Amino acid sequence: NAGVTQTPKFQVLKTGQSMTLQCAQDMNHNSMYWYRQDPGMGLRLIYYSASEGTTDKGEVPNGYNVSRLNKREFSLRLESAAPSQTSVYFCASIRGGDIYEQYFGPGTRLTVT
Amino acid sequence: AQSVAQPEDQVNVAEGNPLTVKCTYSVSGNPYLFWYVQYPNRGLQFLLKYITGDNLVKGSYGFEAEFNKSQTSFHLKKPSALVSDSALYFCAVRDGWGGSQGNLIFGKGTKLSVKP
Repeated sequence: NAGVTQTPKFQVLKTGQSMTLQCAQDMNHNSMYWYRQDPGMGLRLIYYSASEGTTDKGEVPNGYNVSRLNKREFSLRLESAAPSQTSVYFCASIRGGDIYEQYFGPGTRLTVT
Repeated sequence: AQSVAQPEDQVNVAEGNPLTVKCTYSVSGNPYLFWYVQYPNRGLQFLLKYITGDNLVKGSYGFEAEFNKSQTSFHLKKPSALVSDSALYFCAVRDGWGGSQGNLIFGKGTKLSVKP
């Protein structure tokens, strides 16, 4: 049981390049999330997927797109990377329902130059 | 709107002393509150949660938290700190209902430093 996995662990992009961050969970969880973590700002929600086939914007969705490929996988795409998107990105999942805790992946450290 | 505040950017404690990391919240309705810990270069790990019931909640690694409704606080505590407790701690509150059910709003985090 690997929990939540994320690839890649590190990435350096040039401004304007695109990339997709991958996330998968093997806990049969219904809901999945993408956060970004910046110093002094805590974690901010980018997008979430309450269930397979649905996605919704979070607090900071601009510049990102997501795909809930199936129940296991939830990807985050940067179409045209900007230096402001330099951050650590975390994927998380939850069984469903508001009393349960989220499980987090190890993170992807992205630098945009 | 739901929100959570961690008033201290950093807390310094000597090993063996009790520690407290503070969190206050603002919610409409019943608060569902969580504490997470993040060790360097790692993802967040769940420590404990308050949903309902006893105001003192026990969690992983000897941590506990006290829910205080009148003070709208949910402070994290440990009777005797270890150097290995040094990490970044996040308080979080459940955000809303319906479509956003399950979403969390995080505080900015408090860095705990435990010195030998």
